[in-house]
This record gives sequence, C-alpha cells and structure tokens, in this order.
Amino acid sequence: SQTIHQWPATLVQPVGSPLSLECTVEGTSNPNLYWYRQAAGRGLQLLFYSVGIGQISSEVPQNLSASRPQDRQFILSSKKLLLSDSGFYLCAWSLGTSGGASYEQYFGPGTRLTVT
Amino acid sequence: GQQVMQIPQYQHVQEGEDFTTYCNSSTTLSNIQWYKQRPGGHPVFLIQLVKSGEVKKQKRLTFQFGEAKKNSSLHITATQTTDVGTYFCAGPRGGYQKVTFGTGTKLQVIP
Repeated sequence: SQTIHQWPATLVQPVGSPLSLECTVEGTSNPNLYWYRQAAGRGLQLLFYSVGIGQISSEVPQNLSASRPQDRQFILSSKKLLLSDSGFYLCAWSLGTSGGASYEQYFGPGTRLTVT
Repeated sequence: GQQVMQIPQYQHVQEGEDFTTYCNSSTTLSNIQWYKQRPGGHPVFLIQLVKSGEVKKQKRLTFQFGEAKKNSSLHITATQTTDVGTYFCAGPRGGYQKVTFGTGTKLQVIP
C-alpha cells in the first residue's frame, strides 16, 4: 500500500531563516506531487505541483521554491522566511490523469510552521 | 479563474440532526471530489462523482452531483460527534493535473 511521509511535524523558525520541508511517498511510481499551504481555519492553497522528476510548476509567486530530486521525493524550501509564511504545509500525491479524469489526492500528516 | 464556493461556511448541529453542505463551481466540472479534514488533521479523500445527476452513499453520507455538473452536495443523516471536521469539495482544472478546493464547511456537532 502507498504511504506518504512528511517531516518535521512542527517547526518554529525566526524571520529570515531558511526552510526545508521534505515529503516522500512509498508504494507507487511516478506520482503527481503537490505542496499546499493552509492558513489557520482557512482553505487549501496550492503552492507547487510536479508531474515528474525535475518538473515543477508554481502556482503562486512568493519566496518559496520546490524541487523534486527523486521520483518520490518532494522538497519545499525558502531562503528567508517571512511572518506570512506561517501555516500548515501539506504534501499530497495522486496518480497521473487518464482519459481526462483526475485522480483523488492523498495527503501527508502536514507540517505546522510558525515563523516568529 | 475557476472558483469553487461552499455554503455554509460553518454549521453547528445537535447530535442526531441532519447536515448538508453545498458546493458550487463557476465552471462545469468533469468530476467532483469530496474530502474531510478532522480538527488538527489532514484532508482525507471521501468520494469522487463523475456522472451528471449521480448519487452515491457511504453509510450516513449521501453525495450528489448536479445535472449541470456545476454543483454538488453532501448530506449527513443523524450526525455523530465523529462527523466533526471541515468538508471540502474539489474540482479538476489545468488539464486535470490539479484540483481547485472549495472554501470548506466546518461542522461542529454538539453532544
């Protein structure tokens, strides 16, 4: 069966510090991978998605970046965190599309980031 | 761009009462997905509807996809405290590689 891991679970970082969040998926090959951010009590904002190694699409211009160095590894980074980067960061995976239908997404446990 | 709105934003019900959340898209959808996020947790996929007018049931949960494929609803019969959480609908976009999540409906069940 497939599993998705994210770490760390919680993180407190000062403004201006760098960030690296990692997500790995097991039990599947060539998944679509996604990074979302959720502000407290709010909806899901798609930040980045990837359909293959080295292929990253950005949804929202900001001081964050993403990389996919391996098929089942997705990394979210920042060189300098802002206060507004605080939130709940969720990684998700799905199968690729087929016949014009989208597949459901499976989310990791998330990382709660507080920028102080 | 595509917008997916849900109403109500919040709903408080007494345990045993029914609950319904509505999802409306600004564009026609090829399919609609529903997710549940428990407090402090991550979204969990519940179901996907594909056909116009489709109705699916999961125990006390009934999901409907509108005839015009622009709206959907989730109805919970006789709510329980385990139903607490935020319910999101989601529709595909961008060549189906991505989905747009609705604004969500937060359900509180009073024991």
